[in-house]
Amino acid sequence: QVQLQQSGQGLVKPSQTLSLTCAISGDSVSANSAAWNWLRQSPSRGLEWLGRTYYRSKWYNDYAVSVKGRITINADTSKNQFSLQLNSVTPEDTAVYYCASGYGLHYWGQGTLVTVSS
Amino acid sequence: DIVMTQSPDSLAVSLGERATINCKSSQSIVYSANNKDSLAWYQQKPGQPPKLLIHWASTRESGVPDRFSGSGSGTDFTFTISSLQAEDVAVYYCQQYYSVPLTFGGGTKVEIK
Repeated sequence: QVQLQQSGQGLVKPSQTLSLTCAISGDSVSANSAAWNWLRQSPSRGLEWLGRTYYRSKWYNDYAVSVKGRITINADTSKNQFSLQLNSVTPEDTAVYYCASGYGLHYWGQGTLVTVSS
Repeated sequence: DIVMTQSPDSLAVSLGERATINCKSSQSIVYSANNKDSLAWYQQKPGQPPKLLIHWASTRESGVPDRFSGSGSGTDFTFTISSLQAEDVAVYYCQQYYSVPLTFGGGTKVEIK
């Protein structure tokens, strides 16, 4: 059974960087059939996929156009986890952020409410 | 981007009755490698992440009660709760995983009448 445990800050000031981590148990971040995603959910935007990282002999990333240029998703094989960094945040980035695994998203983290406010 | 259009936005169903949700994709989401539709259905209760119920349009996840079912192909899909139970009150979403960006329907809130 795969479990995803999120950690990171819940309050970020405008223009600063949002950072979250998702620790994986029960699977490997570098598994050749896996994909590791970040999503967010807000009343105004619904469920929004932000991006993913996956390993197929080398690392690949896909990002949503809405956040491209501001987002970085990295994998840390030594800690078996992956992370989200979102730069230059604004109040519109306020949302519950989730990590999730797969394509049909089988496993989800518990969610982190991130508020962007001064 | 593939747009997922879900209907209705909400529905109220009596206990034991059938609930049906529709989802339409803006293009075909058939995965050529297995000829299956890359369509998932989720249940979300307040304060919880979405829970995957069905993938490949009609394959139930392990442990999901058989009153939940999915059908359809190509661009038109249906999710059915055959006999609504009190614990099924939730918001339900469809999602395509045929291509990035992964996209979701707007959600359907299911309540007890």
